[in-house]
Amino acid sequence: GAGVSQSPRYKVAKRGQDVALRCDPISGHVSLFWYQQALGQGPEFLTYFQNEAQLDKSGLPSDRFFAERPEGSVSTLKIQRTQQEDSAVYLCASSAGQGVMQYFGPGTRLTVT
Amino acid sequence: QKEVEQNSGPLSVPEGAIASLNCTYSDRGSQSFFWYRQYSGKSPELIMSIYSNGDKEDGRFTAQLNKASQYVSLLIRDSQPSDSATYLCAEEGAGNMLTFGGGTRLMVKP
Repeated sequence: GAGVSQSPRYKVAKRGQDVALRCDPISGHVSLFWYQQALGQGPEFLTYFQNEAQLDKSGLPSDRFFAERPEGSVSTLKIQRTQQEDSAVYLCASSAGQGVMQYFGPGTRLTVT
Repeated sequence: QKEVEQNSGPLSVPEGAIASLNCTYSDRGSQSFFWYRQYSGKSPELIMSIYSNGDKEDGRFTAQLNKASQYVSLLIRDSQPSDSATYLCAEEGAGNMLTFGGGTRLMVKP
C-alpha cells in the first residue's frame, strides 16, 4: 500500500523506562532497516532484517536495544532501561531486496527525560 | 570503519543558480551511492541513485560519481527556495545497509 509507517511518532520516556517502537514496511518489501539519527547528524545503521531473519545487528549500541520481525513484516525496536543518550529519531526503512533503494518512514522521535 | 564525509554547510545559493553538493567516501569497494533530501523535522527522501562512473541526470538533478577519486556529487540546476533542505549522501555496504554522511545544509535565497 502506502509508504513505510512508524508509531508512535513521538515518545517521551522517563529514564529507566522501556519503550517499543513499531515499523510497518511497504507491503512486499523483504528488507527492513532501523537507523538512529541524532540531532544535526546523518542516520546511523542499527540493524537489518531480511524477512524474519535478523542478518546484521552490529549497529545496536548496547544490549539494551533489541529488534524483532517475527513474521517478516512488522518490526519492533525495543529499548530497555532508556538513558538520556538514547534520545534521537529512530528511522525505519524498507526495500524490495539487496541493491534496491531504501524508503524511509516518518520516524519516531524519542525523548528521554 | 567506512566513512562518508560531507561539508556541513550551510551552502547558500541565490534562486536560479546551480547548487553543487559534494561527498567523499572511504571504501573503495563501494558500488552504490544515494542522495537523500531531508527537510527539517522530516525523514530522508530519496532523490537519486548512482552506480556507475559518470553522470546521471533526472530533471534538475545530476549525480556524478568518480570511483577513482572516491567522490560523489549532486548538482541542482535552477535552484528554488523549496530546495532548501539538508542533503544526505549515502553509500551501500554489504547487506544493503547504508552509511550516511553528516549532511550538507542547503539554503536557496529568493
